[in-house]
Amino acid sequence: GQNIDQPTEMTATEGAIVQINCTYQTSGFNGLFWYQQHAGEAPTFLSYNVLDGLEEKGRFSSFLSRSKGYSYLLLKELQMKDSASYLCAVRKGGGNKLTFGTGTQLKVEL
Amino acid sequence: DVKVTQSSRYLVKRTGEKVFLECVQDMDHENMFWYRQDPGLGLRLIYFSYDVKMKEKGDIPEGYSVSREKKERFSLILESASTNQTSMYLCASMVRDRAGNTIYFGEGSWLTVV
Repeated sequence: GQNIDQPTEMTATEGAIVQINCTYQTSGFNGLFWYQQHAGEAPTFLSYNVLDGLEEKGRFSSFLSRSKGYSYLLLKELQMKDSASYLCAVRKGGGNKLTFGTGTQLKVEL
Repeated sequence: DVKVTQSSRYLVKRTGEKVFLECVQDMDHENMFWYRQDPGLGLRLIYFSYDVKMKEKGDIPEGYSVSREKKERFSLILESASTNQTSMYLCASMVRDRAGNTIYFGEGSWLTVV
């Protein structure tokens, strides 16, 4: 099976930087995804990492270390609208299904 | 833009009723999925389908079945609804692109079984 762990909740200040961590244990790792989900809405795709290193996309960056089974999502210049749940998901092998973590609820405060 | 449409946003059904949740995607994707999402448990995969008439069990298939008669439509069926199936159900469609396998989700169907 796959174990995916993320913190349940985080709080940060508008304008600041926050890092959301995700650790996983799986054989046949083949990619890690981050999704954002606002309350009552569907998850939306944020980023994908399959090789070690940092992927940057505007205010959001995602990092992966395959040897450590570790990823983080970095959000810069936080805005109130960034308050949402952030889901880490892992793809295993050549298959098409993703296994999701339970999500990290981020609250951005003034 | 990819569009994944779930026919019912909010449903209330009685225990023992047969429930159909319909999902349609408009991008000719082969892969479609049904997840349920519960507080503290995250998204859990119920069933998925690689192609028409093809289906595979996910992590929690018990109490559910699916139908994929046409490529664009993937239906989730609760043969006899039970209260522990009260949940938010998410349909998803997948394309293999530069990002690997990007999953696009529908808006979700909130099912309450009483």
